[in-house]
Amino acid sequence: AQSVTQLGSHVSVSEGALVLLRCNYSSSVPPYLFWYVQYPNQGLQLLLKYTSAATLVKGINGFEAEFKKSETSFHLTKPSAHMSDAAEYFCAVGQGNLIFGKGTKLSVKP
Amino acid sequence: EAGVAQSPRYKIIEKRQSVAFWCNPISGHATLYWYQQILGQGPKLLIQFQNNGVVDDSQLPKDRFSAERLKGVDSTLKIQPAKLEDSAVYLCASSLVDTWWTGLNEQFFGPGTRLTVL
Repeated sequence: AQSVTQLGSHVSVSEGALVLLRCNYSSSVPPYLFWYVQYPNQGLQLLLKYTSAATLVKGINGFEAEFKKSETSFHLTKPSAHMSDAAEYFCAVGQGNLIFGKGTKLSVKP
Repeated sequence: EAGVAQSPRYKIIEKRQSVAFWCNPISGHATLYWYQQILGQGPKLLIQFQNNGVVDDSQLPKDRFSAERLKGVDSTLKIQPAKLEDSAVYLCASSLVDTWWTGLNEQFFGPGTRLTVL
């Protein structure tokens, strides 16, 4: 069985500060991992995905994530937060049938 | 390129009533997914189609939920009768078929239908 755990249901950062959203996974097979972003009243948009190639994955809007097998983690980072980054972020594992975490709501303070 | 279309965007019904949601995937996408997103949780897959066949419906509550994709293009998800706990956003997603040469394809999500059951 596969699962993901997102640590922190709500993260607040100042504009220009580092964004770090945490995700740990559990998988009995080499995982495919994803980060999605959801803006209010919209569907999910793929930020980036890990599919066993490079462990450091770069995505859209300046986000990146590093796959660490030893820590079973796939944390999402962005060096400098922008007001437009305020949204809910979901980590997911799987192939086809995606298993999502509960989400982390990111707030960005001016 | 048009995205995944869903309708209606919002629906309010009384418990024990019936409701149907419609999804039109991106043109050429053979794989279609329906997810249920309860407030405060991540989406949960209900059913996955490839063309007009069901790939995975293991988490679909079949006593009250049904879904079809008769011509392998658009799809309908129905709830009959609805319960209070069915209040959620129902998301439709589509993707190209995964093959060994394309690898894992991205799922594109529609805006969702927000269902409130009173």
